[in-house]
Amino acid sequence: DAGVTQSPTHLIKTRGQQVTLRCSPKSGHDTVSWYQQALGQGPQFIFQYYEEEERQRGNFPDRFSGHQFPNYSSELNVNALLLGDSALYLCASSLMGQGGGNQPQHFGDGTRLSIL
Amino acid sequence: QKEVEQNSGPLSVPEGAIASLNCTYSDRGSQSFFWYRQYSGKSPELIMFIYSNGDKEDGRFTAQLNKASQYVSLLIRDSQPSDSATYLCAVTFSGGYNKLIFGAGTRLAVHP
Repeated sequence: DAGVTQSPTHLIKTRGQQVTLRCSPKSGHDTVSWYQQALGQGPQFIFQYYEEEERQRGNFPDRFSGHQFPNYSSELNVNALLLGDSALYLCASSLMGQGGGNQPQHFGDGTRLSIL
Repeated sequence: QKEVEQNSGPLSVPEGAIASLNCTYSDRGSQSFFWYRQYSGKSPELIMFIYSNGDKEDGRFTAQLNKASQYVSLLIRDSQPSDSATYLCAVTFSGGYNKLIFGAGTRLAVHP
């Protein structure tokens, strides 16, 4: 049973560039959430995708955008990269289920993004 | 502003002891509560979740929830050096569509 997979594992970019991170959810899951984790902090919610739509968004600028595909996989795009975007980007998947959510989320190994 | 608070630690316990990790949250309407373990340089790993008041046990782990006092705790019995990690408490709030709000984590160190 494949877990959540993310690619790439590591990425180095320079300020102003754009980046795309990818995520495949755990088998049987239909919802993908993205989080940013800076060093020494807990993960911060970026947004969540279900049925190919953004259901909720955290306090992140429009430079952060995403997409969900019919096979439930997802991409996170970040434009005009800033030094402060350096972090571990985590994808989590879950099954929406009845009642709109609250099912456990399982994380992938993350993509470590470094901005020079 | 919905918040989740944890003592950053480090919490140091001897091998074989019980480690007690605590978490408080700000929203009385909170619905679901999760504990994740994160080793240095790795991603969070789900170890427990609890939805109702009371205790929930899974092996050496027990999650305790008290909604009236707005706290959730994690007990680790017979602590092992391999339990040394950062433990993240996460909460979903009412109307939050399963959006997890995390605390900053408590670092646990189990020494032989």
